[in-house]
Amino acid sequence: RKEVEQDPGPFNVPEGATVAFNCTYSNSASQSFFWYRQDCRKEPKLLMSVYSSGNEDGRFTAQLNRASQYISLLIRDSKLSDSATYLCVVNMPGYSTLTFGKGTMLLVSP
Amino acid sequence: ETGVTQTPRHLVMGMTNKKSLKCEQHLGHNAMYWYKQSAKKPLELMFVYSLEERVENNSVPSRFSPECPNSSHLFLHLHTLQPEDSALYLCASSQDSGTGTYNEQFFGPGTRLTVL
Repeated sequence: RKEVEQDPGPFNVPEGATVAFNCTYSNSASQSFFWYRQDCRKEPKLLMSVYSSGNEDGRFTAQLNRASQYISLLIRDSKLSDSATYLCVVNMPGYSTLTFGKGTMLLVSP
Repeated sequence: ETGVTQTPRHLVMGMTNKKSLKCEQHLGHNAMYWYKQSAKKPLELMFVYSLEERVENNSVPSRFSPECPNSSHLFLHLHTLQPEDSALYLCASSQDSGTGTYNEQFFGPGTRLTVL
């Protein structure tokens, strides 16, 4: 089954808040995981890859939980410019390409 | 030019017109993709080319016809479209390692298509 699931949101948070998104995937054999960001009416852009040991890039932290088959994205000290849709992306074995989730919308307000 | 480019950026066409969308990647990748994104909807994968061979066609109507003449160029030929085909058409590329792990895809800016 080809499935990547995300809460569509929107998540409404004030500037400076910490917010976390989860994404579940259906295939335990999946090996590649990414978070993308898509601004309104623009193309998706890679935010970060997700590694088994977890990884951090500035205010952004990504985690992988293989046992429960989910990945997470934590954003600390939210900025207005973080407002976007965050796409969870996973490879599904048996398919020739990555599978994109439907995205979680984040709205950061002043 | 760097990254992935797409032309035209905007296109308005009638239902009887024939047009083509063009995508070019300057990243040395060996796989290219067409996606459709309708307003406020998720990405829909249309076609996948790996090493210039079509490897996936997601039940796309025949009025959309892809062409991949080489690893750097991808076209989407459009013919007799319907108003519901109005959407953002995104091209992407990646390096297919063939080892079971998948590298990230890089997207072009898209062509915003309106069918009247």
